[in-house]
Amino acid sequence: GENVEQHPSTLSVQEGDSAVIKCTYSDSASNYFPWYKQELGKRPQLIIDIRSNVGEKKDQRIAVTLNKTAKHFSLHITETQPEDSAVYFCAAGGDGLTFGKGTHLIIQP
Amino acid sequence: DGGITQSPKYLFRKEGQNVTLSCEQNLNHDAMYWYRQDPGQGLRLIYYSQIVNDFQKGDIAEGYSVSREKKESFPLTVTSAQKNPTAFYLCASSFTGSQDNQPQHFGDGTRLSIL
Repeated sequence: GENVEQHPSTLSVQEGDSAVIKCTYSDSASNYFPWYKQELGKRPQLIIDIRSNVGEKKDQRIAVTLNKTAKHFSLHITETQPEDSAVYFCAAGGDGLTFGKGTHLIIQP
Repeated sequence: DGGITQSPKYLFRKEGQNVTLSCEQNLNHDAMYWYRQDPGQGLRLIYYSQIVNDFQKGDIAEGYSVSREKKESFPLTVTSAQKNPTAFYLCASSFTGSQDNQPQHFGDGTRLSIL
C-alpha cells in the first residue's frame, strides 16, 4: 500500500516569512495529492490539491509542487500570517487517500 | 462543510459495549469514508464506500464495522473487539470521478472516550 512521509513535524517561522512542508510517497500509481489545514478541535479543510499531470499549482499565498520522478510534493506558504497557525496534512492516493502525520505550523509574531 | 453531519460530538463507551457513530451527508456524494485520528498519527483510513451496499476495508478496519444502506448515510460501529477505541473519528465524503480523484470534505468529528 501507499506510505506517506511528512516533514517537519513542527515548523516555527516569523510572521511574514515563508514556510515549506515536504512530503514523499511510495506508490507510483498515486495520482492525487491534496493538502489539508486543521485548526485545533476542528475538521480538516482542503486548502489546495494537485493531480499527477500537473507540476505546480498556486492559489494566492499558497502553492504546491509535485515531482513525480522523485515521488515528492511540497506545500509553500508565503507572507505567513498568524491565522496560518494550524496543523497541515498532506495526502496521496488514488481511490483512497493515505495521510502524512501532520506538521504543526507556528507563526511567531 | 455544513453538508456533512456527524453525531454525537462526544461519546463515551463502557467496556464490552458496541457504539455507533453517525455520518450523514446531503451533498449527493457517491463516496464516503471513515478515518481515525490519534495525536501525532495523522488520519488513518478505517473503511470506505464508493457506492450503496458496497464498502472496503481501509488500513485499520479490525474492531470496526460499517453499513451503506443509503447514499446519504455511512454509520460506523466501534465494536467491543476494538481494544483501544479512544480517538477522534472523522467522516468524509466525495464525488467519484471517472478518471480524476475528487476532493474529500470532512465532518466535524466525534470524540470517543472509554469510561
